[in-house]
Amino acid sequence: QKEVEQNSGPLSVPEGAIASLNCTYSDRGSQSFFWYRQYSGKSPELIMFIYSNGDKEDGRFTAQLNKASQYVSLLIRDSQPSDSATYLCAVNSDYSSASKIIFGSGTRLSIRP
Amino acid sequence: DAGITQSPRHKVTETGTPVTLRCHQTENHRYMYWYRQDPGHGLRLIHYSYGVKDTDKGEVSDGYSVSRSKTEDFLLTLESATSSQTSVYFCAISERDNQETQYFGPGTRLLVL
Repeated sequence: QKEVEQNSGPLSVPEGAIASLNCTYSDRGSQSFFWYRQYSGKSPELIMFIYSNGDKEDGRFTAQLNKASQYVSLLIRDSQPSDSATYLCAVNSDYSSASKIIFGSGTRLSIRP
Repeated sequence: DAGITQSPRHKVTETGTPVTLRCHQTENHRYMYWYRQDPGHGLRLIHYSYGVKDTDKGEVSDGYSVSRSKTEDFLLTLESATSSQTSVYFCAISERDNQETQYFGPGTRLLVL
């Protein structure tokens, strides 16, 4: 059974600090990695994707991938109260199809003023 | 929400009754998906469609059927609802040339008593 594991949280981070969210996955054949943000009562929204080992930056967000260790992380710099949400990690073993995407159960992030 | 609507948004029904959820898109995307989201399980794929009248099963398809007679509409039917099908149901869409980038609808909260 392919799995994607996340700490459910809540992860509490002071405003302005760096929030670090982690995700591990079991399938070594995984090719694509995604981070979704989901506000309470709302639908998931794709915020980052990464395919290659290393870092990928987009504004205040940085995704980090380490395929050898089978983990992917999301860093949020200068955390804002609006970043308070649940962050879902998703992993795909077939980049030509979304039907194989496996989602983690999410980490709840709370930014305290 | 990327031109995706779901109806109804909330539904309460009784065990054993049939239920149909509708997903409607105005983006003309080829691929459509039905997920369910439960605490501790993340998003799990129920069924997906890769074109009109073309559908396939996902990870948790038992007890569900789908139909797609038009590009814009994807219906999810619970033939005989059970309490284990109480969940939040999300529809998602993606383009043929970028299937991994999924856009989610607002969700339907279903309670089966």
